[in-house]
Amino acid sequence: QVQLQESGPGLVKPSETLSLTCSVSGVSISSYYWNWIRQSPGKGLEWIAYIYSSGSTKYNPSLESRVTISVDTSRNQFSLKLTSLTAADTAVYYCARAGGFDYHFENWGQGILVTVSS
Amino acid sequence: EIVLTQSPATLSLSPGERASLSCRASQSVTLRYLAWYQQKPGQAPRLLIYDASSRATGIPDRFSGSGSGTDFTLTISRLESEDFAVYYCQQYGRSPYTFGQGTKLDIK
Repeated sequence: QVQLQESGPGLVKPSETLSLTCSVSGVSISSYYWNWIRQSPGKGLEWIAYIYSSGSTKYNPSLESRVTISVDTSRNQFSLKLTSLTAADTAVYYCARAGGFDYHFENWGQGILVTVSS
Repeated sequence: EIVLTQSPATLSLSPGERASLSCRASQSVTLRYLAWYQQKPGQAPRLLIYDASSRATGIPDRFSGSGSGTDFTLTISRLESEDFAVYYCQQYGRSPYTFGQGTKLDIK
């Protein structure tokens, strides 16, 4: 079955850059659309971005200036970089699979808690 | 962006009762591209309903979705103990994709 697993640091300092990776198993990353979503007590669930294996991307305008999403088809992984972190970026970050663009999220990773604090 | 407003914020019911959860959109949702997710503490959201009324794989038929335009409803016909959780609606018809703030279904 399809499984997704987030990895990365649990604690990052303000103004630094967050780098997260999602490892995908059970399906080729060369199909489907791959998403990052975060959840915080203050803002609830927030969609961040998606990428297709071709490299086609779409970002939430509220975060677009600080976010980069990329894919590594050889490793069946995709990644998120978020720059200029503040405490407001503290959240659980999820990766998720969608069957296409403008599509629901069919599979989710378990999530990784990222805390932004000095 | 499309804002989704869920009501009520909390719904207290007993096992065996019927639950109706509402999701209202600030603009019409394209092609009924609305999903419902269930989230339990410490877990990721789980897809229940997509395209407003289609059940995801493995979801019991006591869960049903309805609605179009700006008004959508998730109905749980007979609550079981494992159904007490937080439920979110999400629209994916127009980017940025957005979620409601959630309805907590708890045991009365």
